[in-house]
Amino acid sequence: DAGVTQSPTHLIKTRGQQVTLRCSPKSGHDTVSWYQQALGQGPQFIFQYYEEEERQRGNFPDRFSGHQFPNYSSELNVNALLLGDSALYLCASSHQQVGGTEAFFGQGTRLTVV
Amino acid sequence: DAKTTQPTSMDCAEGRAANLPCNHSTISGNEYVYWYRQIHSQGPQYIIHGLKNNETNEMASLIITEDRKSSTLILPHATLRDTAVYYCIVRLSNFGNEKLTFGTGTRLTIIP
Repeated sequence: DAGVTQSPTHLIKTRGQQVTLRCSPKSGHDTVSWYQQALGQGPQFIFQYYEEEERQRGNFPDRFSGHQFPNYSSELNVNALLLGDSALYLCASSHQQVGGTEAFFGQGTRLTVV
Repeated sequence: DAKTTQPTSMDCAEGRAANLPCNHSTISGNEYVYWYRQIHSQGPQYIIHGLKNNETNEMASLIITEDRKSSTLILPHATLRDTAVYYCIVRLSNFGNEKLTFGTGTRLTIIP
């Protein structure tokens, strides 16, 4: 089992550009969540996808959007990049069940906006 | 989700038990306590979670006070590889809520 895989691992973009990050969930998982982690901070929840729909969203602007595909993989898109979008972007996958479930995280994509 | 309070940093000697405290005085009856850790430059790693009873797995033990207002994560025999930031998270675990609200965590340093 490959676990959660994210691509690319590192990315450099120019302010104003658009970026797409990709995530493949752990086998058997149907839910994907995205987090942004600025340097020295804990991860901040961006949004979550289940059954190809956005189900929960954190306090992030509409420039942040996503998609989930029928095979449960997901993409995070960020438009009109700002310098402040530089961060580690983490994808987490889980399986829906009542009573609590652990989320498995990928290694993240390090985005640098210059 | 209830707010948690953790010490900013802690040290522990290698081979000793590391006890990481967490306060969650506003926790509600249907909120779980989760622990994750993040080793430098890696994604967070799930450790353990519990509702009201103490829990143990191959990585750690979780002790939750009877009033559920605080908990302690115990790493029984700390090794250098346990050096990481440890996050205590309280979360509703109703179906459909997978959001994790991370604070700044406790930076645990294992001393040789």
